Amino acid sequence: AQSVTQLGSHVSVSEGALVLLRCNYSSSVPPYLFWYVQYPNQGLQLLLKYTTGATLVKGINGFEAEFKKSETSFHLTKPSAHMSDAAEYFCAVTGGRASKIIFGSGTRLSIRP
Amino acid sequence: GAVVSQHPSRVICKSGTSVKIECRSLDFQATTMFWYRQFPKKSLMLMATSNEGSKATYEQGVEKDKFLINHASLTLSTLTVTSAHPEDSSFYICSARGTSGRTGELFFGEGSRLTVL
Repeated sequence: AQSVTQLGSHVSVSEGALVLLRCNYSSSVPPYLFWYVQYPNQGLQLLLKYTTGATLVKGINGFEAEFKKSETSFHLTKPSAHMSDAAEYFCAVTGGRASKIIFGSGTRLSIRP
Repeated sequence: GAVVSQHPSRVICKSGTSVKIECRSLDFQATTMFWYRQFPKKSLMLMATSNEGSKATYEQGVEKDKFLINHASLTLSTLTVTSAHPEDSSFYICSARGTSGRTGELFFGEGSRLTVL
């Protein structure tokens, strides 16, 4: 079974500052991990994913995340926040193609001018 | 990336009526589609998993007779909310997995906001 915990339901940073959104997971099998972004009244868009191989994955819009097995974490970062990054971000985990994808509770990112 | 389209994006209906939401994979074949419900400022709750040509698998607590799911083809799944009530008002999102690839990635529709008066 899999589960996801996102620490912090709301994160606020200044424009140009580092963005760090935290995600910890648990999985009984090697996990596939995802970060999705949701803008108001829209569906979800994939930012990046980790399956196997390189533990530092780069996604769209300058975001990246690092899979740390020892810490069971998959935190999302971006070096410099833009106003357009304001949205809801969801971390998700699955045990593979045949498994359900389990979502975290989401973190709302606000950007201060 | 692959495209999943939902229709309608917004629907308002009277209490007691039924509403159908369509989910289409536009450029790939989806053997499995998922329906999620999202309450305001909440995460996504998986309602059911539908596989092409077979009955949907509902999550615990989801009424199968109220939320009818049909996955008649590899590119179309529908969710019908029967005898809708105001408490069914929500944002419904579908997602789809392709027939190839091993990543397990989901592609999401734009969502459908249902308001029941």
